[in-house]
Amino acid sequence: EAAVTQSPRNKVAVTGGKVTLSCNQTNNHNNMYWYRQDTGHGLRLIHYSYGAGSTEKGDIPDGYKASRPSQENFSLILELATPSQTSVYFCASGDWGDTLYFGAGTRLSVL
Amino acid sequence: AQSVTQPDARVTVSEGASLQLRCKYSYSGTPYLFWYVQYPRQGLQLLLKYYSGDPVVQGVNGFEAEFIKSNSSFHLRKASVHWSDSAVYFCAVSPGFASALTFGSGTKVIPCLP
Repeated sequence: EAAVTQSPRNKVAVTGGKVTLSCNQTNNHNNMYWYRQDTGHGLRLIHYSYGAGSTEKGDIPDGYKASRPSQENFSLILELATPSQTSVYFCASGDWGDTLYFGAGTRLSVL
Repeated sequence: AQSVTQPDARVTVSEGASLQLRCKYSYSGTPYLFWYVQYPRQGLQLLLKYYSGDPVVQGVNGFEAEFIKSNSSFHLRKASVHWSDSAVYFCAVSPGFASALTFGSGTKVIPCLP
């Protein structure tokens, strides 16, 4: 079974601080994605990657960076966290011809 | 660019009654269509997917969806709702399997006693 693991599961950060959300997948998928979920908006795409060393901007990339150091790992980085980035963040992985598999989510509160 | 509209934010349905969740998409090419379910405090799980073939596609837990190209719709149905179907359901579209998904805003299903 496809597995996507996110850490931490919950995070409280201060405004202006740096936050790193991590995602690990054991599926050997090429593609990985970061979404945020907010009430009334569904899930919105922040960044994605087609393989190690590559990152692409999604629909709402402002204020976020991404890093794909290996096939298995994909991080989302908030260099200067703001309260508007309080949300639930989901990582997903997938490969051509298959669907996406989602992690359990990270709940981030920026105070 | 693609988009998805789920017009109903919440649907209350009696246990044992039928359920239909509406989804309309906008995409210029041939769409890949999905329904995902999210149980409380969990990630998203795939219910079903469609790309081609029979426009009625079967999914897990008795769910099915029908692709109607002329109406740009992909509504989800279940014949008899159970209390365990309480969740948020998301419709999504993409240009290909494993491509980035564009999600609707979700519909929360609330089963109630008949």
